[in-house]
Amino acid sequence: DQQVKQNSPSLSVQEGRISILNCDYTNSMFDYFLWYKKYPAEGPTFLISISSIKDKNEDGRFTVFLNKSAKHLSLHIVPSQPGDSAVYFCAAKVGGATNKLIFGTGTLLAVQP
Amino acid sequence: NAGVMQNPRHLVRRRGQEARLRCSPMKGHSHVYWYRQLPEEGLKFMVYLQKENIIDESGMPKERFSAEFPKEGPSILRIQQVVRGDSAAYFCASQIRGGEQFFGPGTRLTVL
Repeated sequence: DQQVKQNSPSLSVQEGRISILNCDYTNSMFDYFLWYKKYPAEGPTFLISISSIKDKNEDGRFTVFLNKSAKHLSLHIVPSQPGDSAVYFCAAKVGGATNKLIFGTGTLLAVQP
Repeated sequence: NAGVMQNPRHLVRRRGQEARLRCSPMKGHSHVYWYRQLPEEGLKFMVYLQKENIIDESGMPKERFSAEFPKEGPSILRIQQVVRGDSAAYFCASQIRGGEQFFGPGTRLTVL
Protein backbone atom coordinates (compact mmCIF):
# COMPACT_ATOMS: atom_id res chain seq x y z
CA ASP A 1 0.00 0.00 0.00
CA GLN A 2 1.89 3.03 -1.30
CA GLN A 3 0.61 5.95 0.77
CA VAL A 4 2.96 8.49 -0.83
CA LYS A 5 3.36 8.38 -4.59
CA GLN A 6 5.74 10.07 -6.97
CA ASN A 7 4.51 9.06 -10.39
CA SER A 8 7.33 10.57 -12.42
CA PRO A 9 10.51 8.50 -12.05
CA SER A 10 12.54 11.14 -13.86
CA LEU A 11 12.47 14.73 -15.05
CA SER A 12 14.83 16.65 -17.31
CA VAL A 13 14.97 20.45 -17.24
CA GLN A 14 17.17 23.11 -18.81
CA GLU A 15 19.36 25.20 -16.55
CA GLY A 16 17.60 28.42 -15.53
CA ARG A 17 14.12 27.01 -16.06
CA ILE A 18 11.62 25.91 -13.42
CA SER A 19 11.62 22.31 -12.13
CA ILE A 20 8.30 21.02 -10.80
CA LEU A 21 8.27 17.76 -8.88
CA ASN A 22 4.95 16.25 -7.89
CA CYS A 23 3.78 14.03 -5.07
CA ASP A 24 0.37 12.54 -4.21
CA TYR A 25 -0.72 10.95 -0.96
CA THR A 26 -3.66 8.90 0.21
CA ASN A 27 -3.62 9.18 4.00
CA SER A 28 -5.64 12.17 5.18
CA MET A 29 -4.04 11.82 8.64
CA PHE A 30 -0.68 13.10 7.38
CA ASP A 31 -0.03 16.48 9.00
CA TYR A 32 3.49 17.30 7.86
CA PHE A 33 5.25 16.91 4.53
CA LEU A 34 8.92 17.09 3.64
CA TRP A 35 11.16 17.01 0.60
CA TYR A 36 14.56 15.37 0.71
CA LYS A 37 17.32 15.50 -1.87
CA LYS A 38 19.63 12.54 -2.36
CA TYR A 39 22.89 12.19 -4.25
CA PRO A 40 24.25 8.73 -5.17
CA ALA A 41 26.01 6.93 -2.30
CA GLU A 42 24.84 9.55 0.22
CA GLY A 43 21.98 9.78 2.66
CA PRO A 44 18.93 11.98 2.03
CA THR A 45 19.35 15.66 2.91
CA PHE A 46 16.40 17.67 4.21
CA LEU A 47 15.35 20.40 1.79
CA ILE A 48 12.06 21.98 2.79
CA SER A 49 8.87 21.10 4.64
CA ILE A 50 5.28 22.22 5.04
CA SER A 51 2.67 21.77 7.72
CA SER A 52 -0.81 20.66 6.70
CA ILE A 53 -2.24 23.94 8.01
CA LYS A 54 -0.37 25.87 5.31
CA ASP A 55 -0.60 25.80 1.53
CA LYS A 56 2.79 27.25 0.65
CA ASN A 57 6.28 27.45 2.08
CA GLU A 58 9.20 29.17 0.40
CA ASP A 59 12.93 28.99 1.04
CA GLY A 60 15.14 30.70 -1.50
CA ARG A 61 14.83 28.94 -4.84
CA PHE A 62 12.62 26.22 -3.36
CA THR A 63 8.86 26.46 -2.84
CA VAL A 64 6.52 23.72 -1.72
CA PHE A 65 2.81 23.90 -2.45
CA LEU A 66 0.20 21.80 -0.67
CA ASN A 67 -3.32 21.14 -1.99
CA LYS A 68 -5.07 19.23 0.78
CA SER A 69 -8.33 18.73 -1.07
CA ALA A 70 -6.47 17.04 -3.91
CA LYS A 71 -3.98 15.33 -1.55
CA HIS A 72 -1.21 16.69 -3.71
CA LEU A 73 1.99 18.58 -3.11
CA SER A 74 4.65 19.90 -5.41
CA LEU A 75 8.18 21.24 -5.16
CA HIS A 76 9.17 24.11 -7.40
CA ILE A 77 12.82 24.92 -8.00
CA VAL A 78 13.51 28.15 -9.81
CA PRO A 79 15.90 28.83 -11.37
CA SER A 80 17.15 25.26 -11.74
CA GLN A 81 20.91 24.72 -11.55
CA PRO A 82 23.05 21.73 -12.63
CA GLY A 83 23.91 21.12 -8.96
CA ASP A 84 20.23 20.43 -8.32
CA SER A 85 20.55 17.17 -10.28
CA ALA A 86 19.69 14.46 -7.77
CA VAL A 87 16.88 12.18 -6.65
CA TYR A 88 14.12 14.02 -4.81
CA PHE A 89 11.97 12.20 -2.28
CA CYS A 90 8.66 13.38 -0.96
CA ALA A 91 7.89 12.22 2.59
CA ALA A 92 4.98 12.54 5.00
CA LYS A 93 4.32 11.88 8.64
CA VAL A 94 1.45 11.57 11.05
CA GLY A 95 1.76 13.57 14.24
CA GLY A 96 2.13 11.56 17.39
CA ALA A 97 4.67 9.60 19.32
CA THR A 98 6.62 8.08 16.49
CA ASN A 99 7.37 10.74 13.80
CA LYS A 100 8.26 8.00 11.32
CA LEU A 101 8.48 9.18 7.72
CA ILE A 102 6.62 7.60 4.82
CA PHE A 103 8.59 8.11 1.62
CA GLY A 104 7.66 8.18 -2.03
CA THR A 105 9.74 6.30 -4.58
CA GLY A 106 11.64 9.38 -5.72
CA THR A 107 12.06 11.44 -8.88
CA LEU A 108 15.43 11.73 -10.58
CA LEU A 109 15.92 15.34 -11.65
CA ALA A 110 18.50 16.09 -14.35
CA VAL A 111 19.26 19.76 -14.97
CA GLN A 112 20.94 20.20 -18.32
CA PRO A 113 23.51 23.02 -18.66
CA ASN B 1 29.47 19.09 14.94
CA ALA B 2 29.83 15.81 13.08
CA GLY B 3 26.81 14.48 11.25
CA VAL B 4 25.21 11.08 11.60
CA MET B 5 27.83 8.40 11.12
CA GLN B 6 27.22 4.90 9.88
CA ASN B 7 29.64 2.03 9.53
CA PRO B 8 30.56 0.08 7.70
CA ARG B 9 29.65 1.90 4.50
CA HIS B 10 29.70 -1.34 2.55
CA LEU B 11 29.16 -4.82 3.94
CA VAL B 12 29.28 -8.11 2.08
CA ARG B 13 27.90 -11.26 3.69
CA ARG B 14 27.19 -14.77 2.51
CA ARG B 15 23.77 -16.26 2.99
CA GLY B 16 23.30 -17.45 6.55
CA GLN B 17 25.83 -15.06 8.11
CA GLU B 18 25.04 -12.22 10.48
CA ALA B 19 25.18 -8.53 9.58
CA ARG B 20 25.71 -5.78 12.17
CA LEU B 21 25.15 -2.19 11.11
CA ARG B 22 26.14 0.67 13.39
CA CYS B 23 24.81 4.19 13.65
CA SER B 24 26.22 7.03 15.75
CA PRO B 25 23.69 9.87 15.99
CA MET B 26 24.52 13.54 15.92
CA LYS B 27 25.73 14.95 19.20
CA GLY B 28 22.81 15.66 21.49
CA HIS B 29 20.37 13.52 19.50
CA SER B 30 18.71 10.79 21.51
CA HIS B 31 16.23 9.56 18.89
CA VAL B 32 17.28 7.15 16.13
CA TYR B 33 15.35 5.81 13.15
CA TRP B 34 16.36 3.02 10.76
CA TYR B 35 15.11 2.89 7.17
CA ARG B 36 15.75 0.41 4.38
CA GLN B 37 15.90 1.22 0.68
CA LEU B 38 15.51 -1.68 -1.70
CA PRO B 39 16.64 -1.18 -5.32
CA GLU B 40 14.35 1.15 -7.31
CA GLU B 41 12.24 1.91 -4.22
CA GLY B 42 11.89 4.65 -1.66
CA LEU B 43 13.05 4.42 1.92
CA LYS B 44 10.89 2.26 4.17
CA PHE B 45 10.67 2.83 7.92
CA MET B 46 11.90 -0.07 10.03
CA VAL B 47 12.27 0.98 13.67
CA TYR B 48 12.38 4.01 15.98
CA LEU B 49 14.46 3.94 19.14
CA GLN B 50 15.29 6.24 22.01
CA LYS B 51 18.10 5.52 24.43
CA GLU B 52 17.55 1.99 25.79
CA ASN B 53 13.99 1.84 24.43
CA ILE B 54 12.31 0.63 21.26
CA ILE B 55 9.44 3.02 20.61
CA ASP B 56 8.06 1.73 17.29
CA GLU B 57 9.20 -1.41 15.48
CA SER B 58 6.19 -1.71 13.20
CA GLY B 59 8.39 -1.77 10.08
CA MET B 60 10.77 -4.48 11.24
CA PRO B 61 10.44 -7.98 9.77
CA LYS B 62 9.22 -10.32 12.49
CA GLU B 63 12.17 -12.67 12.28
CA ARG B 64 15.94 -12.30 12.03
CA PHE B 65 15.98 -8.51 12.52
CA SER B 66 16.63 -6.70 15.79
CA ALA B 67 17.73 -3.23 16.85
CA GLU B 68 19.09 -1.62 19.97
CA PHE B 69 20.23 1.79 21.13
CA PRO B 70 22.15 1.34 24.39
CA LYS B 71 22.81 4.01 26.96
CA GLU B 72 26.41 4.22 25.75
CA GLY B 73 27.57 3.62 22.19
CA PRO B 74 25.97 3.50 18.78
CA SER B 75 22.66 2.09 17.71
CA ILE B 76 22.96 -1.38 16.19
CA LEU B 77 20.76 -2.99 13.55
CA ARG B 78 21.36 -6.72 13.54
CA ILE B 79 20.29 -9.11 10.81
CA GLN B 80 20.73 -12.79 11.53
CA GLN B 81 20.99 -15.51 8.89
CA VAL B 82 20.96 -13.04 6.01
CA VAL B 83 19.26 -13.91 2.72
CA ARG B 84 19.67 -12.36 -0.71
CA GLY B 85 16.49 -10.33 -0.25
CA ASP B 86 18.17 -8.45 2.61
CA SER B 87 20.51 -6.78 0.10
CA ALA B 88 19.68 -3.09 0.34
CA ALA B 89 20.87 0.27 1.57
CA TYR B 90 20.18 0.80 5.26
CA PHE B 91 19.92 4.37 6.48
CA CYS B 92 19.93 5.67 9.98
CA ALA B 93 18.52 9.07 10.95
CA SER B 94 18.79 10.94 14.21
CA GLN B 95 16.67 13.65 15.72
CA ILE B 96 16.25 15.76 18.78
CA ARG B 97 12.75 15.75 20.16
CA GLY B 98 10.39 17.45 17.70
CA GLY B 99 13.15 18.32 15.22
CA GLU B 100 13.96 17.22 11.70
CA GLN B 101 15.55 13.86 10.98
CA PHE B 102 19.14 14.00 9.78
CA PHE B 103 20.30 11.01 7.77
CA GLY B 104 23.61 9.19 7.72
CA PRO B 105 25.32 8.11 4.48
CA GLY B 106 23.94 4.59 4.70
CA THR B 107 25.33 1.06 4.77
CA ARG B 108 25.07 -0.89 1.56
CA LEU B 109 24.58 -4.56 2.38
CA THR B 110 25.23 -7.14 -0.30
CA VAL B 111 24.33 -10.76 0.37
CA LEU B 112 26.07 -13.27 -1.87
